[in-house]
Amino acid sequence: KAGVTQTPRYLIKTRGQQVTLSCSPISGHRSVSWYQQTPGQGLQFLFEYFSETQRNKGNFPGRFSGRQFSNSRSEMNVSTLELGDSALYLCASSLASSQNYNEQFFGPGTRLTVL
Amino acid sequence: AQSVAQPEDQVNVAEGNPLTVKCTYSVSGNPYLFWYVQYPNRGLQFLLKYITGDNLVKGSYGFEAEFNKSQTSFHLKKPSALVSDSALYFCAVRDPTSGTYKYIFGTGTRLKVLA
Repeated sequence: KAGVTQTPRYLIKTRGQQVTLSCSPISGHRSVSWYQQTPGQGLQFLFEYFSETQRNKGNFPGRFSGRQFSNSRSEMNVSTLELGDSALYLCASSLASSQNYNEQFFGPGTRLTVL
Repeated sequence: AQSVAQPEDQVNVAEGNPLTVKCTYSVSGNPYLFWYVQYPNRGLQFLLKYITGDNLVKGSYGFEAEFNKSQTSFHLKKPSALVSDSALYFCAVRDPTSGTYKYIFGTGTRLKVLA
């Protein structure tokens, strides 16, 4: 089974631009979560999607948005980029169950650099 | 509110010695607890989880973790460390009674195994 894939792997943008990151989950996984990883802040939860609906959202400004498609693929968008948005963005998928104890499977991440 | 603490930013251990990476949590209900490992330039990989039952959980690569409800801890252990175990380790918690689907991650502990 193919793992979680993320594209692109590396991205360089300038302040004020916008960016779209893509994530393809493991086949059969309907839950997709996004995280921002920085050296100082660790892993910060952005949002989670299940069946095209945002189920949960972290404490990020409205410039960060996402969506999920009917095939479970997900995208996240960051508008009006700021220098502080430079980070590794990780996507994770999991089997959704009512018990919610499934582990997450992470992609390799997209390294975003904002100049 | 749910939270996870990894009190040590870095742990150094000699190869062949036992290792412990500490994690404590705070949730209102009975937690689901997870450990993940991250190698350089990679996403996180699942190591093990505690859902219910036996307090000692065995996982990948010879790692195990002990759930201690009275101390609200879930420390990661390995009897004999390898140089290849050097990586960044994350503890995560999910509260099944919270009504959310969020995983809360600790800030990570860098493990260095010295030859």
